[in-house]
Amino acid sequence: NAGVTQTPKFRVLKTGQSMTLLCAQDMNHEYMYWYRQDPGMGLRLIHYSVGEGTTAKGEVPDGYNVSRLKKQNFLLGLESAAPSQTSVYFCASSHERTGNNQPQHFGDGTRLSIL
Amino acid sequence: GQNIDQPTEMTATEGAIVQINCTYQTSGFNGLFWYQQHAGEAPTFLSYNVLDGLEEKGRFSSFLSRSKGYSYLLLKELQMKDSASYLCAVREGDSNYQLIWGAGTKLIIKP
Repeated sequence: NAGVTQTPKFRVLKTGQSMTLLCAQDMNHEYMYWYRQDPGMGLRLIHYSVGEGTTAKGEVPDGYNVSRLKKQNFLLGLESAAPSQTSVYFCASSHERTGNNQPQHFGDGTRLSIL
Repeated sequence: GQNIDQPTEMTATEGAIVQINCTYQTSGFNGLFWYQQHAGEAPTFLSYNVLDGLEEKGRFSSFLSRSKGYSYLLLKELQMKDSASYLCAVREGDSNYQLIWGAGTKLIIKP
């Protein structure tokens, strides 16, 4: 029962490098999300997707891009990494049914350090 | 503005009861979630409240007062494995992506 799987789990980058974080879910969820979690702060939404082929900006989208070519996958890209992007990144997914309490299910996170 | 407040850290004793508070000021309200997050792990869903009152789920209960913008998570018969951070999140609108998250309360359980 995989749920939400994130790869890689750890990564160290140099300033200016690019990389893609991968997220896959096997629960047939419509909604997917990318968050970052920094010490002393709540989870902050970077981008989200309400379905295959659609993406939207969250609270802190600058410096990131996303794609959702398949329903089960949601990719987060850093085009030119900056030290301010050092963080733990979480992917989450959920069903979206109006009126129901649909919790978000999280992956184990990617710990990213930018030197 | 949008704001969710939780205590940064709490300490409790194994076997005791602890109450973790969450107060919120958001532009809308359509439910409140509590999540548990062990160090280095993913947040996992604990409870959901949308109506005033208490929701009980085993050793954990969650309370909501919409008029006061207030919720609490009550943990009974504390166990060492309950040492974790507890995150409060408010759903502002009709869609699940409109969650506003608190910074979390780190709960330390002592023997």
